[in-house]
Amino acid sequence: AQTVTQSQPEMSVQEAETVTLSCTYDTSENNYYLFWYKQPPSRQMILVIRQEAYKQQNATENRFSVNFQKAAKSFSLKISDSQLGDTAMYFCAFMTSAGVTGTASKLTFGTGTRLQVTL
Amino acid sequence: KAGVTQTPRYLIKTRGQQVTLSCSPISGHRSVSWYQQTPGQGLQFLFEYFSETQRNKGNFPGRFSGRQFSNSRSEMNVSTLELGDSALYLCASSLPPRPEQYFGPGTRLTVT
Repeated sequence: AQTVTQSQPEMSVQEAETVTLSCTYDTSENNYYLFWYKQPPSRQMILVIRQEAYKQQNATENRFSVNFQKAAKSFSLKISDSQLGDTAMYFCAFMTSAGVTGTASKLTFGTGTRLQVTL
Repeated sequence: KAGVTQTPRYLIKTRGQQVTLSCSPISGHRSVSWYQQTPGQGLQFLFEYFSETQRNKGNFPGRFSGRQFSNSRSEMNVSTLELGDSALYLCASSLPPRPEQYFGPGTRLTVT
């Protein structure tokens, strides 16, 4: 079974600064997907970024980028130029590639990191 | 495109009752997954439906069931409600083979 670990329950960053959220996972699979989701106080889960395990290049989406270290099973999220609207719970999630082809589309989530952006 | 919608948004039920939650996926998405979110257990996978068939089920008792209709809309049902079923129930849709799941706003269920 896959597990996802987020060891930082809470973090704080000042507006315009950069922050990195950590995530590690455990799997025996070779092909899989990793995601970061954001859940603001409204509770709506929003997809932030995704990474395919077979791609060496780290994914980026505007101010959000990841540092994917497959051998270390590490998947951290870097938020640059933090904004007040980035205040939210951030969840790291894992899906096997088998889920994509249709046999089991299931996300396994970490426990989340609560990020507070301050003035 | 309209996002994933869930109804109702809030629900209060009494122990022993049953409840049905509804989810309408993004237009064209054929896969619908359900998750339960609680402070103690975090986000847990309930089940996933694709083309009206349950493809995967999480580790929940048989009181939790679901179905999917031909238009891809999905419902989940919880019978004989227990206090521990109080949670935010999230529905997500996707378009296999793309892996991304897009979530609805959730249904907040309170069992008293």
